[in-house]
Amino acid sequence: EDKVVQSPLSLVVHEGDTVTLNCSYEVTNFRSLLWYKQEKKAPTFLFMLTSSGIEKKSGRLSSILDKKELSSILNITATQTGDSAIYLCAVEATAGTYKYIFGTGTRLKVLA
Amino acid sequence: DGGITQSPKYLFRKEGQNVTLSCEQNLNHDAMYWYRQDPGQGLRLIYYSQIVNDFQKGDIAEGYSVSREKKESFPLTVTSAQKNPTAFYLCASSPRTSGMQFFGPGTRLTVL
Repeated sequence: EDKVVQSPLSLVVHEGDTVTLNCSYEVTNFRSLLWYKQEKKAPTFLFMLTSSGIEKKSGRLSSILDKKELSSILNITATQTGDSAIYLCAVEATAGTYKYIFGTGTRLKVLA
Repeated sequence: DGGITQSPKYLFRKEGQNVTLSCEQNLNHDAMYWYRQDPGQGLRLIYYSQIVNDFQKGDIAEGYSVSREKKESFPLTVTSAQKNPTAFYLCASSPRTSGMQFFGPGTRLTVL
């Protein structure tokens, strides 16, 4: 059965800390992995990782795909209170279907 | 402005009633999706459509129905057969050539 597991489920840190969020997956035929940030309502897109693009960076956020370990990490450096959100990982269940399986998310709270 | 709209924002329903949630996009995306999100859980796929007049069941399609008569629109009907419909419903769309999904603001459905 296809599945995506995120860890930790929740995390509380102080401003300035660095955090690492994990996503591991088991899917039929991997093609892409997506990271989203969900603050209140609609998730907003962060990164897409594929076999041809295994590392992405945007400002204080970066993500790496490890196809051998079937996992990905999302790093946030110098965290700010505005980083408080649920971070969702999604993996395409079968290549070419664009059907994604989402993990349960990691709830991050950054304290001032 | 391009984007995805969902309406209504909040919806209350009595048990035994069918309700229809609206989702419209003007991004010219071929694929559209419906997800359900419950507290402490990730997004679960209800239905998805990769092209007009075609759609597939997701992981939790029972008690739901959809139609895709126009490229811009993908309404979701929550029928009385859905035993636990109270949840937050998210609609998304993506280009056919990429799985990167863009989400609407969501509809929170409460069954009284």
